[in-house]
Amino acid sequence: GEDVEQSLFLSVREGDSSVINCTYTDSSSTYLYWYKQEPGAGLQLLTYIFSNMDMKQDQRLTVLLNKKDKHLSLRIADTQTGDSAIYFCAPRGPSGGYQKVTFGTGTKLQVIP
Amino acid sequence: EPEVTQTPSHQVTQMGQEVILRCVPISNHLYFYWYRQILGQKVEFLVSFYNNEISEKSEIFDDQFSVERPDGSNFTLKIRSTKLEDSAMYFCASSEDVNTEAFFGQGTRLTVV
Repeated sequence: GEDVEQSLFLSVREGDSSVINCTYTDSSSTYLYWYKQEPGAGLQLLTYIFSNMDMKQDQRLTVLLNKKDKHLSLRIADTQTGDSAIYFCAPRGPSGGYQKVTFGTGTKLQVIP
Repeated sequence: EPEVTQTPSHQVTQMGQEVILRCVPISNHLYFYWYRQILGQKVEFLVSFYNNEISEKSEIFDDQFSVERPDGSNFTLKIRSTKLEDSAMYFCASSEDVNTEAFFGQGTRLTVV
């Protein structure tokens, strides 16, 4: 099955850019999602990218996909304290069934004022 | 904005008891899912449901688990005889189509004592 890895922790200063990285194993993943989880809250879909794209920009968020290396990243420009949360990389793909999303370990982003 | 709602937000139950976790998916969605997140661990896929039957399930989803859509709006997860290790946050999700993004509820925190 799919294996998804992320670094556990990232600390940035307010106003700087944050880059959260993710590696996955299933090259046939079709959609790659980023979810945000604030303390005690549910999972909020932030953005996603189709596997046939290299980059997607959505306001302060930029997603980069390197299919060859099976590497996905999420860049948050001008990081704010409200961005402090856990970010999950979550590919969706045929090896787990089209309906199954596999979540990474999550990266806890701490934004220092 | 339409959202997935889950009740209760927190459930405490004694070991061996049956629990039913309830979810109301987004009204025009056809695919429904349950995930769980044991404290400090990954979000894990349990089951997907479409057209009134299970379409995919993980190895975690054994005989003590069952899902049902008893009416046109609710989607339930039943755990027949709860164990201590069933303590987790359970997330319900729904999607319009098999290839579209899944929207998650806020979760039900299940504590088995």
